Amino acid sequence: DAKTTQPPSMDCAEGRAANLPCNHSTISGNEYVYWYRQIHSQGPQYIIHGLKNNETNEMASLIITEDRKSSTLILPHATLRDTAVYYCIVRGPGSNSGYALNFGKGTSLLVTP
Amino acid sequence: DTEVTQTPKHLVMGMTNKKSLKCEQHMGHRAMYWYKQKAKKPPELMFVYSYEKLSINESVPSRFSPECPNSSLLNLHLHALQPEDSALYLCASRVIGEGDQPQHFGDGTRLSIL
Repeated sequence: DAKTTQPPSMDCAEGRAANLPCNHSTISGNEYVYWYRQIHSQGPQYIIHGLKNNETNEMASLIITEDRKSSTLILPHATLRDTAVYYCIVRGPGSNSGYALNFGKGTSLLVTP
Repeated sequence: DTEVTQTPKHLVMGMTNKKSLKCEQHMGHRAMYWYKQKAKKPPELMFVYSYEKLSINESVPSRFSPECPNSSLLNLHLHALQPEDSALYLCASRVIGEGDQPQHFGDGTRLSIL
């Protein structure tokens, strides 16, 4: 699975959009981009994933560049409850890996009042 | 809210004790996972079960013994653990097939070894 690079920390004002970048320059054509977050003392929570196209769900939007070498997770209206560590993970079809997730260090997002 | 239930939430045990962690899901997921997360670190994969059979062991010491007695239940048996094994142990499950599907995690068992 390709490695990812994320900023270690970010701040966002409550009510504003939070844009979390992720670099995955060595991504292969059949590898998906997954985003999870982990709120303190809880298990990781699935947010969204995509292959090539931009994706949107009730939690967030995922924007993947045309060359697929980077992506951005957008939380449109951040709330204090969005304070968490956000993990960008690239995962291949990987039957050899059991489709397991290889977590990096993530971005610690702090939403402030 | 999580549909993967882990018990107990907290466990304190001595190095000579034997205990088990339990993970349960009723979503019909046939892939189940154990991860270990040390303080301020990301989760790390330990084991993968597929159709109730162990498919991946990430070179985990034998003092950790996984078991998948049925499609809804995953156990992690612990014996003679060391203080450095203190961590949050996370279980996850995933549907097999139906395209690329995410894993769903429980909230973990926080284990402390005295």
